[in-house]
Amino acid sequence: ETGVTQTPRHLVMGMTNKKSLKCEQHLGHNAMYWYKQSAKKPLELMFVYSLEERVENNSVPSRFSPECPNSSHLFLHLHTLQPEDSALYLCASSQEAGGRDGELFFGEGSRLTVL
Amino acid sequence: GEDVEQSLFLSVREGDSSVINCTYTDSSSTYLYWYKQEPGAGLQLLTYIFSNMDMKQDQRLTVLLNKKDKHLSLRIADTQTGDSAIYFCAESKGTGRRALTFGSGTRLQVQP
Repeated sequence: ETGVTQTPRHLVMGMTNKKSLKCEQHLGHNAMYWYKQSAKKPLELMFVYSLEERVENNSVPSRFSPECPNSSHLFLHLHTLQPEDSALYLCASSQEAGGRDGELFFGEGSRLTVL
Repeated sequence: GEDVEQSLFLSVREGDSSVINCTYTDSSSTYLYWYKQEPGAGLQLLTYIFSNMDMKQDQRLTVLLNKKDKHLSLRIADTQTGDSAIYFCAESKGTGRRALTFGSGTRLQVQP
């Protein structure tokens, strides 16, 4: 596999469920990101990991919990979500050093629906 | 207002030129980007411009940057139906911060 892979592509969950989104990158990058894409709104940066350490957390509610066990994998654990959390969640990766500043490589996203 | 602003929708006829506009607020931005998102896909880098440039051309794409007005535009010449997608403007907020700040995206619809 190549690039950035996200699973599942679609997820429907109730407000009391616990689920996880998974992201895997095969590009040898050392920084990974979660973005939230909602209709007609700017992409919202949620979390940034650099060398497996969280370096940015943009005031995201605690019902979203990220995990980065190694530089190739990133998870987003979800629990007690709200219907307004329904969105497309995009994972991205980049090369922290040496790459062009800010060039991100995105996965295809996980479409989340909260009932 | 938002850090990066774009109009939400643009419709053009096949063969015409498309111009997608973007305004941003951070004068310290080092790179400015255009990303393309096709239906059901993630975002892909289309082109970028360094902040000390005012124009960049890449085949059918022309990027214009007006730093004074903090205005960025993407011109697509001879627009094709395959260019129908959402186009996101993004900025890199200075050195040391890799994460980008994106706009809301402009949906380009190309009529045959």
